[in-house]
Amino acid sequence: ILNVEQSPQSLHVQEGDSTNFTCSFPSSNFYALHWYRWETAKSPEALFVMTLNGDEKKKGRISATLNTKEGYSYLYIKGSQPEDSATYLCARGEDKIIFGKGTRLHILP
Amino acid sequence: GAVVSQHPSRVICKSGTSVKIECRSLDFQATTMFWYRQFPKKSLMLMATSNEGSKATYEQGVEKDKFLINHASLTLSTLTVTSAHPEDSSFYICSARKRHSYEQYFGPGTRLTVT
Repeated sequence: ILNVEQSPQSLHVQEGDSTNFTCSFPSSNFYALHWYRWETAKSPEALFVMTLNGDEKKKGRISATLNTKEGYSYLYIKGSQPEDSATYLCARGEDKIIFGKGTRLHILP
Repeated sequence: GAVVSQHPSRVICKSGTSVKIECRSLDFQATTMFWYRQFPKKSLMLMATSNEGSKATYEQGVEKDKFLINHASLTLSTLTVTSAHPEDSSFYICSARKRHSYEQYFGPGTRLTVT
């Protein structure tokens, strides 16, 4: 993997359901993995920064895991709510961070 | 804390004119600021990195004479798109980072349209 890849590109989830999506990245020369939530017309909001293999972080209903050896991270949202609708960006790096294209999450009422 | 503002949020200009976009960290000192550009359906692409008081470091393929970056203080960086052309129309977004921190805090972005 040469770039940061996110899947799926878009996702529709029923309110109340849990969901997860993936970020894949080059595992060599790894420094940090970032997750951002980007709502329309707002600034991207930093969710997590993870640096160590096996890291797991949690903020409310959202959590993330990191596997630096195989080059992937998962973002989990438990009990989706309408306010979770946003684009979730994953990025790899320390100084220069390389972004994926994002996963666009739509929560259906 | 960690709020970044960007001004203007939207600008329309004519070909050949220059446009300045400001990025400010409102409640912290940003030792490093980054400028990104986003093309439709693409990732945020890093254009340049600027450290306070020094020249910006541009990514490959980004013309430094076209995109002038100034980081004169610990709370302000500016991006000037010089002699703008329609192909410069894009979404430009800045981020700021505190010293000794991995996290980047983003502004809300500027939509530039060159007619």
